[in-house]
Amino acid sequence: KNEVEQSPQNLTAQEGEFITINCSYSVGISALHWLQQHPGGGIVSLFMLSSGKKKHGRLIATINIQEKHSSLHITASHPRDSAVYICAVRWAVGSGGSNYKLTFGKGTLLTVNP
Amino acid sequence: GAVVSQHPSRVICKSGTSVKIECRSLDFQATTMFWYRQFPKQSLMLMATSNEGSKATYEQGVEKDKFLINHASLTLSTLTVTSAHPEDSSFYICSASGPTGWQGARIQYFGAGTRLSVL
Repeated sequence: KNEVEQSPQNLTAQEGEFITINCSYSVGISALHWLQQHPGGGIVSLFMLSSGKKKHGRLIATINIQEKHSSLHITASHPRDSAVYICAVRWAVGSGGSNYKLTFGKGTLLTVNP
Repeated sequence: GAVVSQHPSRVICKSGTSVKIECRSLDFQATTMFWYRQFPKQSLMLMATSNEGSKATYEQGVEKDKFLINHASLTLSTLTVTSAHPEDSSFYICSASGPTGWQGARIQYFGAGTRLSVL
């Protein structure tokens, strides 16, 4: 079982602030996803990474495989960034290395006030 | 990027009826599809995994006769909630991944979800 912990659970920020959301996991993984879920429920995949760092617009995701830790950063936050951000880890189950599972964190509710 | 379309986005039904949810990959071959369920303020919980042309593999505790999954083609999977009851009310999300070797193979693409309310 892979334990995925996200922090903080809730985060309130003022527009323009730099945001960091953290994710740690207990079992070695092949990839980590950062997802965004809006109030209506729809999920958007933001990043999939297995090492290093990725950047897309104001979003930056980093991962440290040795420390089993990833962070999602949002620069110059905006009210439209308000959503639940979910970390999900992809890891091998069983023997053989061909079956994978995606385990989700509980999410971080981000509210950005104008 | 790859797109997964899920339909309907919301459904309200009476207790005892069956509800079918469709999940389509629009621009890639979805060799594997996943069905998740999400309760309010909870994580997504995997219900079952299906590979095209094969029977779905259900997670422990998920009733296969209750939640019928069909993955008959590389672009379509369906989840049918049979004889729905109020406790089946939840948010159901499908996800799809492409074939091994495809550039997006390790990425799961998510549908927008279906909110089921059983009265």
